[in-house]
Amino acid sequence: EVQLVQSGAEVKKPGESLKISCQVSGYDFISYCLAWVRQMPGKGLEWMGVIYPGDSNTKYNPSFRGRVTISADRSISTAYLHLSSFRASDTAIYYCARPRYSGTYFFEFAYWGQGALVTVSS
Amino acid sequence: QSALTQPRSVSGSPGQSVTISCTGTSSDVGGYSHVSWYKQYPGMAPKLMIYDVNKRPSGVPDRISGSKSGNTASLTISGLRAEDEADYSCCSYAGDYAHVIFGGGTKLTVL
Repeated sequence: EVQLVQSGAEVKKPGESLKISCQVSGYDFISYCLAWVRQMPGKGLEWMGVIYPGDSNTKYNPSFRGRVTISADRSISTAYLHLSSFRASDTAIYYCARPRYSGTYFFEFAYWGQGALVTVSS
Repeated sequence: QSALTQPRSVSGSPGQSVTISCTGTSSDVGGYSHVSWYKQYPGMAPKLMIYDVNKRPSGVPDRISGSKSGNTASLTISGLRAEDEADYSCCSYAGDYAHVIFGGGTKLTVL
């Protein structure tokens, strides 16, 4: 069974960096892309970026202007989302998600993590 | 890159059909066949309902269908049931710069 298990909720101060994890099981981690998608309160879904663990190639949403870095540790089948300079508008639920097909296909998301709520605290 | 445009809400009675539209541009919806749809209950992760415009993953009933015409994709749910009440979001590949964009989501109410 494919499972994506994310790290827990976090509270960040403005200007801090965020790093959350997504550990997968039930499939070959290096063979499928893994994306990060967030959802701000009461808003739609927003694609942040994707990594192909097979070669660590990444693609990012240009609207984040370099604040986002996605990485992967193949030894523990875990992907990470790093978001720098956290701001109030980054308060959201952050999901990791995997497509149906293996390889560099990353256009849809068949499997999702449980989500991690990240809020800002002044 | 702006989000794809969806109606904020739609509604229908049990047994009826509803269609949710998703309008983009020739750089996303109109330019590629990688449109997907997601169903989301409050407090839950999204669930894939349609991929590649009109394909259903296993387990999704055939009363759920997808289509595309020009820059607009559509999700149609026929034979509405109470459990169809949820938020629905579209998603499209958007080329080598923007990569992937979502719609703003549509709340479906079953009356």
